[in-house]
Amino acid sequence: AQSVTQLDSQVPVFEEAPVELRCNYSSSVSVYLFWYVQYPNQGLQLLLKYLSGSTLVKGINGFEAEFNKSQTSFHLRKPSVHISDTAEYFCAVRHNQGGKLIFGQGTELSVKP
Amino acid sequence: EAGVAQSPRYKIIEKRQSVAFWCNPISGHATLYWYQQILGQGPKLLIQFQNNGVVDDSQLPKDRFSAERLKGVDSTLKIQPAKLEDSAVYLCASSLGGDSSYEQYFGPGTRLTVT
Repeated sequence: AQSVTQLDSQVPVFEEAPVELRCNYSSSVSVYLFWYVQYPNQGLQLLLKYLSGSTLVKGINGFEAEFNKSQTSFHLRKPSVHISDTAEYFCAVRHNQGGKLIFGQGTELSVKP
Repeated sequence: EAGVAQSPRYKIIEKRQSVAFWCNPISGHATLYWYQQILGQGPKLLIQFQNNGVVDDSQLPKDRFSAERLKGVDSTLKIQPAKLEDSAVYLCASSLGGDSSYEQYFGPGTRLTVT
C-alpha cells in the first residue's frame, strides 16, 4: 500500500520569496506522483506530475518538483511566489499499474504582501 | 471544453436524513470518481466507475452510501441516513481512462453539513 506525508500543514511566506512544500511517500512498488492545488471553494487542479524520465518536473504557474527516489520525496518549489498562489496544495501518489490516488493531508500556503 | 459539473454546491441536512449529489463528467471521459474530503484532510476515494461498472468501492460505507452511474455518463451519490461525521466536501472527478497516467479532472465539489 502507498502513503503520503506532507511535512508542513501551513507555510506562510512573503510575496516574491521562494517556497518549498515538502512531500514524502511510502511505497513498495513503482509509483506516479502528482501535485494538485485547491483554491477556496473550488475543486483540485493538477499542477504537475511525474510519470517517468527526468526527475525535475515543471508544471503550471511557475511551479516545479523534483523526484528523489532514494529519499522517497517529491518536493514542490517555486522561486518567487505571488499573492494569487495562496491555496491548499496536495501531494498524491498512485501505483503505476493502477489503483487509487492517495492524497497527503495538504499544505496551506499563505502568501503575505 | 466544459469541466466536471456538480450539484448542489452546498447542502445542509439533519442527521438521519437522506441526501443525493449529482455529477456530470467531461464528455467522453470513461472513468468517474467520487471522493470525500473531510476538513483538514486530503480527498479519499469512495468509488471509481469505468463506464457504468464499479472498479473500486472498497472505501465506500455501503450500509449508508450508494452510488450509480447509469448509461456510463452522469452519476449520483446518495447517503441514507446521514451521520454527523459525513460532513465533508464531496468531489467528483473524471478521466479519459482508468490508467494511472491519465489526468483526473475535478469538479468544484458539494459541501455537505450534517447537523
